[in-house]
Amino acid sequence: GAVVSQHPSWVICKSGTSVKIECRSLDFQATTMFWYRQFPKQSLMLMATSNEGSKATYEQGVEKDKFLINHASLTLSTLTVTSAHPEDSSFYICSARLVRTFQETQYFGPGTRLLVL
Amino acid sequence: GQNIDQPTEMTATEGAIVQINCTYQTSGFNGLFWYQQHAGEAPTFLSYNVLDGLEEKGRFSSFLSRSKGYSYLLLKELQMKDSASYLCAVMDSNYQLIWGAGTKLIIKP
Repeated sequence: GAVVSQHPSWVICKSGTSVKIECRSLDFQATTMFWYRQFPKQSLMLMATSNEGSKATYEQGVEKDKFLINHASLTLSTLTVTSAHPEDSSFYICSARLVRTFQETQYFGPGTRLLVL
Repeated sequence: GQNIDQPTEMTATEGAIVQINCTYQTSGFNGLFWYQQHAGEAPTFLSYNVLDGLEEKGRFSSFLSRSKGYSYLLLKELQMKDSASYLCAVMDSNYQLIWGAGTKLIIKP
């Protein structure tokens, strides 16, 4: 159990285009999902917290108009990188919060590598 | 401020035991997590501690002392596939995960 999928796993796009990344919790419902970015050899950096049915909460320094997040259902959150530029090239990882009795855990999707040319 | 400290890199020998330490200072505490991340992949969940003591799961064990703000991940019978980064994360009072920078573990034959 507790499987999270991401699609696509790889995307290469031209500068100025928009890219949508999907994050799905396959066997559980997630009212909260998280979007992270990780540059090579660096730590995970939380970009935003996505709550089902409400607006996402963005971390300081993350442009909400550039990184659009939609959490339309309890199993799906999407991140759209609008007007992508080469500096947006990174490894984007989502996680979904699973709440059990006395325990709350985040399970990660496999990640999406974005390369903007 | 909130802070998670763990060593940047450690080296160990195949078959041996290694302990990766993590100290934390956070606003509130709702549990401590250890994740494993192989190069180029997303993190995978290893363990969760919310009460003091040792949690054993196969070759991996995790220890927590809340009064000391301290945890460690113990890996026994090291295998080459254990070469990875190990991330310590603490869930604060807002149920947000605060991440350490990770410890890169290098296993030598």
